[in-house]
Amino acid sequence: EPEVTQTPSHQVTQMGQEVILRCVPISNHLYFYWYRQILGQKVEFLVSFYNNEISEKSEIFDDQFSVERPDGSNFTLKIRSTKLEDSAMYFCASTTDFFSNQPQHFGDGTRLSIL
Amino acid sequence: KNEVEQSPQNLTAQEGEFITINCSYSVGISALHWLQQHPGGGIVSLFMLSSGKKKHGRLIATINIQEKHSSLHITASHPRDSAVYICPVWGVASNAGGTSYGKLTFGQGTILTVHP
Repeated sequence: EPEVTQTPSHQVTQMGQEVILRCVPISNHLYFYWYRQILGQKVEFLVSFYNNEISEKSEIFDDQFSVERPDGSNFTLKIRSTKLEDSAMYFCASTTDFFSNQPQHFGDGTRLSIL
Repeated sequence: KNEVEQSPQNLTAQEGEFITINCSYSVGISALHWLQQHPGGGIVSLFMLSSGKKKHGRLIATINIQEKHSSLHITASHPRDSAVYICPVWGVASNAGGTSYGKLTFGQGTILTVHP
């Protein structure tokens, strides 16, 4: 069964550095999402992306964050100047068709640790 | 008040028991997910519901749109069912540019432990 893949599985970065988290959604999917989960807390929505533009973003997704689909397969989340509080598990998800209520498929996540 | 609330927060069961996890939400939704998050962190989609009932193996999910409530039932529970169960709701919200697609709103989850 096709999977959403995320790399790296664990990223350690110094505070203030830029980090790029990468995701390869399932190939025929059209809607893409990033979520994060701070250790011990619930999963939080960050951003949704469709037709090469952001569809919706949460209040967490400030100017330090950006998303991009640089080619036909990758979907990236960039954090420009990382802060300690950015340490979390970041999940990418994709779905083929929102309007027919298809489930979102999640990647295994990237654990981001800011030192 | 949280938009999505689950109960119980923690649930311990013996192998073989019938388990029910509840999910209530206060926002308008188009669908509700049931997800399973394993101890290692990976998330698996179990069900997507907009009405009625779905069954897959030992798992049954129901939703009552009028009452804004969904339940996940596990029959003949097994230690491998131990995980966090989450019921994010799939809302449709309008923004300045029109309709948004697929923002999931998550609750805290229910931690299930099944002992052998």
